[in-house]
Amino acid sequence: GAGVSQSPSNKVTEKGKDVELRCDPISGHTALYWYRQSLGQGLEFLIYFQGNSAPDKSGLPSDRFSAERTGGSVSTLTIQRTQQEDSAVYLCASSSQLSGGGEQYFGPGTRLTVT
Amino acid sequence: AQSVAQPEDQVNVAEGNPLTVKCTYSVSGNPYLFWYVQYPNRGLQFLLKYITGDNLVKGSYGFEAEFNKSQTSFHLKKPSALVSDSALYFCAVRDMGGNNRLAFGKGNQVVVIP
Repeated sequence: GAGVSQSPSNKVTEKGKDVELRCDPISGHTALYWYRQSLGQGLEFLIYFQGNSAPDKSGLPSDRFSAERTGGSVSTLTIQRTQQEDSAVYLCASSSQLSGGGEQYFGPGTRLTVT
Repeated sequence: AQSVAQPEDQVNVAEGNPLTVKCTYSVSGNPYLFWYVQYPNRGLQFLLKYITGDNLVKGSYGFEAEFNKSQTSFHLKKPSALVSDSALYFCAVRDMGGNNRLAFGKGNQVVVIP
């Protein structure tokens, strides 16, 4: 079946602009995660959704970052007033409650470059 | 907090030789451990997991991993490396605090030399 999809695959934006990143999880997966991958920081957890609610936002680096999930499916990560340190690859993952191990399946990522 | 460590930065191995990528973990309670692989400009692909049971876990593409509780290790292994195995490998542990987030190691670049 279809995997996790993300769009856009690449985004170049000017410092100070807002960006929206989209994630479409595997159908039926109730849990959705956002991670950020950068050279200096490795893979960092950002936020977790169970259904439409976000019980854990502890990884969001600042109040410029927000995310929502609608209909228990698609999620959007929004970064306001982008800064150069926001440049990274943003990865989305989903998992099924039915899987005993809870392994997460990742999308291809969105590479964000802030100039 | 749960964490994993990957002590090496890069692993070089000749094609056909055994490949080992090391991972140690630090958890309270029983660990849920994972290995992922990332090819250039791609997302992470799930390779295998350890939850409970047999200490030797078999996964995709001929990879396996051995869980060792006394050494708190979960090393990834492949008996005979292929050039196509050249990629970035991540070890991860699942947070058992309710959100199931993954805490990743820094990653190991594996280079298989023809």
